[in-house]
Amino acid sequence: DTAVSQTPKYLVTQMGNDKSIKCEQNLGHDTMYWYKQDSKKFLKIMFSYNNKELIINETVPNRFSPKSPDKAHLNLHINSLELGDSAVYFCASSQDVPSGGARNEQFFGPGTRLTVL
Amino acid sequence: SQQGEEDPQALSIQEGENATMNCSYKTSINNLQWYRQNSGRGLVHLILIRSNEREKHSGRLRVTLDTSKKSSSLLITASRAADTASYFCATDDPRLTFGEGTQLTVNP
Repeated sequence: DTAVSQTPKYLVTQMGNDKSIKCEQNLGHDTMYWYKQDSKKFLKIMFSYNNKELIINETVPNRFSPKSPDKAHLNLHINSLELGDSAVYFCASSQDVPSGGARNEQFFGPGTRLTVL
Repeated sequence: SQQGEEDPQALSIQEGENATMNCSYKTSINNLQWYRQNSGRGLVHLILIRSNEREKHSGRLRVTLDTSKKSSSLLITASRAADTASYFCATDDPRLTFGEGTQLTVNP
């Protein structure tokens, strides 16, 4: 059984379009994350949700809007896509405390490769 | 600069040799984690070492942590071609922050 799943795996779209990436975890974790990995493999956290509540929001353009309908799902909607948004986006989950404290291991999805033309 | 900087950026060895990767960080941590990423895949957790631990083993993996030097190392013994991947350290400061990774290539 897939622990953290993402759809789609590949997404090719034109500049200016709006797209969504979905993420689901069946691990019963309380915390979910979105990361962006650029072409140099640098992995940067974008958002974190704990029990459907936003707890981390890095300096990300407001064209990116995460939505957590329940604690097993964290979707990422991107408006007005730009060339610089091309990257691999990873969803992850963990069982963590909501504020500060030691971080437990994170379980990553397979990634969504977004290409903006 | 980034919390969790790996060294070297790339490492190429022969099967059977040991591979050592280093990670340096800047702030105080509760724990440090190592992850592996195979090409085109998500990250997979390898090992977590707490700030009060100095060494930890898991199979062919050995991780050390020196909080006075703010550094950690990952040793893979008797490497295999299947160990070819990128390896990342991640620190909690308090959010999990990843370094830029070491690309390990194990030649058969």
